[in-house]
Amino acid sequence: EDKVVQSPLSLVVHEGDTVTLNCSYEVTNFRSLLWYKQEKKAPTFLFMLTSSGIEKKSGRLSSILDKKELFSILNITATQTGDSAVYLCAVESYNTDKLIFGTGTRLQVFP
Amino acid sequence: DAGVTQSPTHLIKTRGQQVTLRCSPKSGHDTVSWYQQALGQGPQFIFQYYEEEERQRGNFPDRFSGHQFPNYSSELNVNALLLGDSALYLCASSSGTELWTQYFGPGTRLLVL
Repeated sequence: EDKVVQSPLSLVVHEGDTVTLNCSYEVTNFRSLLWYKQEKKAPTFLFMLTSSGIEKKSGRLSSILDKKELFSILNITATQTGDSAVYLCAVESYNTDKLIFGTGTRLQVFP
Repeated sequence: DAGVTQSPTHLIKTRGQQVTLRCSPKSGHDTVSWYQQALGQGPQFIFQYYEEEERQRGNFPDRFSGHQFPNYSSELNVNALLLGDSALYLCASSSGTELWTQYFGPGTRLLVL
């Protein structure tokens, strides 16, 4: 059965810290891995990763995929209180037209 | 562009009742997916509609049904509500099978008492 596991489940840091969020997956016929940020209700898209070793970057956020070891990391540098949210990882398979989500990592950034 | 809209925002029902949730997709999107997100969990895929037909379905019982209209809007119906159906129900629209283009709506929070 396809599954996505995220760690840690929860993280508390101070502004300015750097954090690394982990996502490991098992999926048949992998197509892509996506990261979302969920602050209150609607998850918002951050990155889509399809190829190993190619870093995607957006401001202080970056992500990379390792298709051999079946995991991805999301890095946030110089964290700000506005980064406080649940970060969701999801994978997509060529076999199905649906996303399989992990349970998310809850990040809290304190001033 | 209004993005994905959902109604109602909140709903309280009692066990055994039926509920209908509504979703209007982002302009230009023709595919609607529904997810259930229990507290502290990631979204779980319920089903997906394209061209007014259910294209994919997750591991949800037949009590969960849906519909897509010619204007691409969609409804999610849940019959015989259980306490465990309490969750945030998210609708996401996308263009065809390009799931990375999915935009999520703000969700409907359902509480079953």
